[in-house]
Amino acid sequence: NAGVMQNPRHLVRRRGQEARLRCSPMKGHSHVYWYRQLPEEGLKFMVYLQKENIIDESGMPKERFSAEFPKEGPSILRIQQVVRGDSAAYFCASSPGKGASYGYTFGSGTRLTVV
Amino acid sequence: DQQVKQNSPSLSVQEGRISILNCDYTNSMFDYFLWYKKYPAEGPTFLISISSIKDKNEDGRFTVFLNKSAKHLSLHIVPSQPGDSAVYFCAASEKTSYDKVIFGPGTSLSVIP
Repeated sequence: NAGVMQNPRHLVRRRGQEARLRCSPMKGHSHVYWYRQLPEEGLKFMVYLQKENIIDESGMPKERFSAEFPKEGPSILRIQQVVRGDSAAYFCASSPGKGASYGYTFGSGTRLTVV
Repeated sequence: DQQVKQNSPSLSVQEGRISILNCDYTNSMFDYFLWYKKYPAEGPTFLISISSIKDKNEDGRFTVFLNKSAKHLSLHIVPSQPGDSAVYFCAASEKTSYDKVIFGPGTSLSVIP
């Protein structure tokens, strides 16, 4: 998983706080994808971003969740007013081009625990 | 609705034998399929892929077979090694404007020495 950097690796938040998850894609990759893995479940697509644009956010919960990928800096997944059900592993992936055939490279994930 | 299904949550295989992991899909528009491997506390890593124009792709010990009429694919690992013990995710993408990748729930493979 070298190349896609996610931080923090572990994040503990109390109910009602905000969680900010960061993802720096591989060098040369301008496409970023966020996935969530709930306990005992597979990876669920959340959002697909290119630089400064959200391309597909169909997997994002309608409230409290937002994502951005600014011109400079990492992509940020923001969860406001966290609840226990937000506890999960959040994975970011990047690719050099649009489409699965380019291959997604995943980061090691951020494990969010809401207490 | 789960578009990519992996009906076996777990599988145990003896070292040296063949591991066969199965995957079924429901979306006939899927045209590209991938397998990812995931160790605990790490992100998934790409293993092998296959385009819908093919029915087999091989890479070393790993072979993926695609049966489009049955909407079924399988990953064969031969010979299996203890280091292959991991969760394997089947994934698929549809030829849309952005080729979103949909993952299955995963199969946990244990290779017993």
